[in-house]
Amino acid sequence: DAGVIQSPRHEVTEMGQEVTLRCKPISGHDYLFWYRQTMMRGLELLIYFNNNVPIDDSGMPEDRFSAKMPNASFSTLKIQPSEPRDSAVYFCASDLGLAGVFNEQFFGPGTRLTVL
Amino acid sequence: AQKVTQAQTEISVVEKEDVTLDCVYETRDTTYYLFWYKQPPSGELVFLIRRNSFDEQNEISGRYSWNFQKSTSSFNFTITASQVVDSAVYFCALRFQGAQKLVFGQGTRLTINP
Repeated sequence: DAGVIQSPRHEVTEMGQEVTLRCKPISGHDYLFWYRQTMMRGLELLIYFNNNVPIDDSGMPEDRFSAKMPNASFSTLKIQPSEPRDSAVYFCASDLGLAGVFNEQFFGPGTRLTVL
Repeated sequence: AQKVTQAQTEISVVEKEDVTLDCVYETRDTTYYLFWYKQPPSGELVFLIRRNSFDEQNEISGRYSWNFQKSTSSFNFTITASQVVDSAVYFCALRFQGAQKLVFGQGTRLTINP
């Protein structure tokens, strides 16, 4: 089975532009997570979904960030307008989420975003 | 509050040495889960191990071993006879029951020199 798929792998854009990151979780996984990794802040959770419903978006930095999960096999993280401080590696992860069983999260390869 | 501390920012050893990566966590929950992930230079995050708070048995997997001690709130990771391929950033993470999100430590960058 394919792992978590993210696209694009690298994105370079100019300040003010809209950026859309995409994720396809592992089939059958009920939970999807978006993380951001920077040198200063490490790995931080932005938002996560359960069965396509956002559960916790407290980590979303500000209104410029939005995330959607229109179906079980696809999610997007959008930044509009982008700023240089948004430069980071963005990871998507998924989790089987069986009740009463703790599971590991499987991470995608990440999208390296550079905002000039 | 849930918190994970990896006090060692960077470790550098010579190949074949043993090395231990420390992880100390804070939680008020009695049921929680601990994880270790590896991030090699290629950038992906690779799951290594998970442990629940009721299972204090140490675990060994090849050259890797994990020591979980609730009394000191620690979940340390030891690599025996280290190899250059072990060079990576290693993250310890905590998840408490009822929540799906992981709280990560800051990571320890391990460099194994030939």
